[in-house]
Amino acid sequence: DVKVTQSSRYLVKRTGEKVFLECVQDMDHENMFWYRQDPGLGLRLIYFSYDVKMKEKGDIPEGYSVSREKKERFSLILESASTNQTSMYLCASSFEAGVSEQPQHFGDGTRLSIL
Amino acid sequence: TQLLEQSPQFLSIQEGENLTVYCNSSSVFSSLQWYRQEPGEGPVLLVTVVTGGEVKKLKRLTFQFGDARKDSSLHITAAQPGDTGLYLCAGVDGGSQGNLIFGKGTKLSVKP
Repeated sequence: DVKVTQSSRYLVKRTGEKVFLECVQDMDHENMFWYRQDPGLGLRLIYFSYDVKMKEKGDIPEGYSVSREKKERFSLILESASTNQTSMYLCASSFEAGVSEQPQHFGDGTRLSIL
Repeated sequence: TQLLEQSPQFLSIQEGENLTVYCNSSSVFSSLQWYRQEPGEGPVLLVTVVTGGEVKKLKRLTFQFGDARKDSSLHITAAQPGDTGLYLCAGVDGGSQGNLIFGKGTKLSVKP
């Protein structure tokens, strides 16, 4: 079974801190994604990556950056955390680009609170 | 911009009842996926529908893709408390390299 592991289930940080959320997948997937999930707004794509060292902006990239130095690891960085970034963050991975029916495999999420 | 509208947003029913969740769009999708997300976990894929008019069954769950590939439905027969969760439909974004566009979800609660 594919396993997508997010480093923390719960995280509490302060406004202005630099926050790192880590995600690792063990199935050699090319694609990796970061979403945030908020009540009434559903899943919104922050950033995605189709290859090592490659990144693309999603729908809501402002205030975030990402890093993909190795194929299995995709990190989300909040450069200077703000209270409106309090949310559930979900990482996902899938097989190669262009295969549109490939499902995304999700981690269990990190519930981040910014105080 | 492609959008997926899910209805209803919330559904609370008794064990044994039937229900249908709808996923609608004005855009055509090459395929639609349905996920279920249980509290404290990430979404898990239930099924992918690809062909217009396609019907897929997964035990008590029946998924249908509209003929025009703009809508889909999920029907649950004789719901059980274990069906409780957030049901999400997702379509492949034709303007990207296969990114998914998610509906906002239907939160189902099945009471014993």
